[in-house]
Amino acid sequence: GAVVSQHPSRVICKSGTSVKIECRSLDFQATTMFWYRQFPKKSLMLMATSNEGSKATYEQGVEKDKFLINHASLTLSTLTVTSAHPEDSSFYICSARESLLGALYGYTFGSGTRLTVV
Amino acid sequence: EDQVTQSPEALRLQEGESSSLNCSYTVSGLRGLFWYRQDPGKGPEFLFTLYSAGEEKEKERLKATLTKKESFLHITAPKPEDSATYLCAVRGGGTSYGKLTFGQGTILTVHP
Repeated sequence: GAVVSQHPSRVICKSGTSVKIECRSLDFQATTMFWYRQFPKKSLMLMATSNEGSKATYEQGVEKDKFLINHASLTLSTLTVTSAHPEDSSFYICSARESLLGALYGYTFGSGTRLTVV
Repeated sequence: EDQVTQSPEALRLQEGESSSLNCSYTVSGLRGLFWYRQDPGKGPEFLFTLYSAGEEKEKERLKATLTKKESFLHITAPKPEDSATYLCAVRGGGTSYGKLTFGQGTILTVHP
């Protein structure tokens, strides 16, 4: 099946600094990747849809300048949290859909990144 | 706007006690209903995709069914290792790029 690798799994940063999270599709090409945020004991909230070679599409209420998304290739999308503050602390998860096997395996998710801003 | 509601929010079972989780949805042109399992601190793990009413899929102790308004995840003779959060999501025909709308999840705890 399709595999999505997400790094780092955990990161602690100081308030005001920026943090980059990587999402890679290891054995397939992903034209579209999705970035989610998850609060404790809550469901996944879609932040943005990342398309290779074009600007990301952000959901309503998500700050584009704070959460920078780059989808530079068919296997890599990055989320940069800029000028992080404690309220940005959360669990961030990416996902991708393999175009051919997606009908069988649905959307594949990364293992998530726990961001803590101190 | 697509909407997904899961019930119950939490379910506690004894090992071997079968039960069902519910996922009610409203969607414009269903393009797929997805069930995922999520363990604490991990990303969701794919379980099933259902596309049309009447469809059923099975995997070990799990069986997913679909009607025009809801889906059920049946768990037969659960074991403690089945403890996890189970997430339901839909992909609607009106969404661009195939984004998913998730329910809030059901936290399943199976006691030995």
